[in-house]
Amino acid sequence: GAVVSQHPSWVICKSGTSVKIECRSLDFQATTMFWYRQFPKQSLMLMATSNEGSKATYEQGVEKDKFLINHASLTLSTLTVTSAHPEDSSFYICSARVPTGYNEQFFGPGTRLTVL
Amino acid sequence: AQSVTQPDIHITVSEGASLELRCNYSYGATPYLFWYVQSPGQGLQLLLKYFSGDTLVQGIKGFEAEFKRSQSSFNLRKPSVHWSDAAEYFCAVASPLGGYQKVTFGTGTKLQVIP
Repeated sequence: GAVVSQHPSWVICKSGTSVKIECRSLDFQATTMFWYRQFPKQSLMLMATSNEGSKATYEQGVEKDKFLINHASLTLSTLTVTSAHPEDSSFYICSARVPTGYNEQFFGPGTRLTVL
Repeated sequence: AQSVTQPDIHITVSEGASLELRCNYSYGATPYLFWYVQSPGQGLQLLLKYFSGDTLVQGIKGFEAEFKRSQSSFNLRKPSVHWSDAAEYFCAVASPLGGYQKVTFGTGTKLQVIP
């Protein structure tokens, strides 16, 4: 099956610094990837849709200058949390869409971000 | 408004008992339907999915789900629960609007299994 990886799996950073999270499709090319955020004991909320070679589409209420998304290749999308603050601490999960058949998405294992 | 609802926030069952987790959706046309499981601090694991065809879907770990169009439901079932099934379960839908690209998750049901 399609495999999606994320790196790092967890990161701790100081308030005010920026953190980059990578999402890779390992055995398929993904023109579209998605970024989700999950607060403790809550569900996953879609943050943005990342399209290869074009600007990401952000969901309402998500600050695009805060959460920079780059989808520079067909196998890699990155999410950069800029000037991170403690309220950005969360579990970030990416998914990649297989561009055939039912457009199924495969999810990465997630990245736990803790901002001190 | 389009939505996916998991009415049970928390369910407790005895090991060996049967399980049913409820999921209802509100979409004009039939969406794609999924069930995921998430253990604490872990990512999502796909249990099963429904795109079309047979309305009874078999998944991994002995789970199954039945799509009922008339009830707009996709309930997850397991005949005999094991202690290792304790986790959070999410129902998710991919809306036909926009080509099934966006996946919306329910609020989740936390399953506790008691000996």
